[in-house]
Amino acid sequence: NAGVTQTPKFQVLKTGQSMTLQCAQDMNHEYMSWYRQDPGMGLRLIHYSVGAGITDQGEVPNGYNVSRSTTEDFPLRLLSAAPSQTSVYFCASSYQEGWNTEAFFGQGTRLTVV
Amino acid sequence: DAKTTQPPSMDCAEGRAANLPCNHSTISGNEYVYWYRQIHSQGPQYIIHGLKNNETNEMASLIITEDRKSSTLILPHATLRDTAVYYCIVRTGANNLFFGTGTRLTVIP
Repeated sequence: NAGVTQTPKFQVLKTGQSMTLQCAQDMNHEYMSWYRQDPGMGLRLIHYSVGAGITDQGEVPNGYNVSRSTTEDFPLRLLSAAPSQTSVYFCASSYQEGWNTEAFFGQGTRLTVV
Repeated sequence: DAKTTQPPSMDCAEGRAANLPCNHSTISGNEYVYWYRQIHSQGPQYIIHGLKNNETNEMASLIITEDRKSSTLILPHATLRDTAVYYCIVRTGANNLFFGTGTRLTVIP
């Protein structure tokens, strides 16, 4: 049982490049989400999904796209990277929306845009 | 969502109990109090949550006041590995968690 797995762990991009951050969970969780964390700050919600085929925007969605074709995977795409997107990105999953249960987080992807 | 207020930092001697307070005066009846922590720059780790009653698990205890306007997370015997940022979050469920800046707990040898 691997939990929530994020790849890559580290990435350096040039401004304007695109890339996809991968997130996979093996707990059959319906709910998945992406957060970003800037230095000295708490996590902020980017996008989330309540199940396969359903996604919605969080607090800071601009510059990011998501899709949810399977229950297990929830990739985050940066279409044209900007220095402002330099951050640590965390993926999380939980059993079901609204249930009083815990969220599980991946170990993060550290992204630097130069 | 109800907002929470936590002290920015606290120190605790190794082996002693760490008591981390949280105010959530606008909490509504169906909102749970969750606690997570983030060690160094790792992904947040769930600690405990509760609605009305006090809760205890292998990591910590959660004491919620009778009016539910505040709570305290207790780490009974703090170790150096408990040095982390602790987040108190009020939510109806585990989703779309709002992380403030939390309390930075430093356990001192």
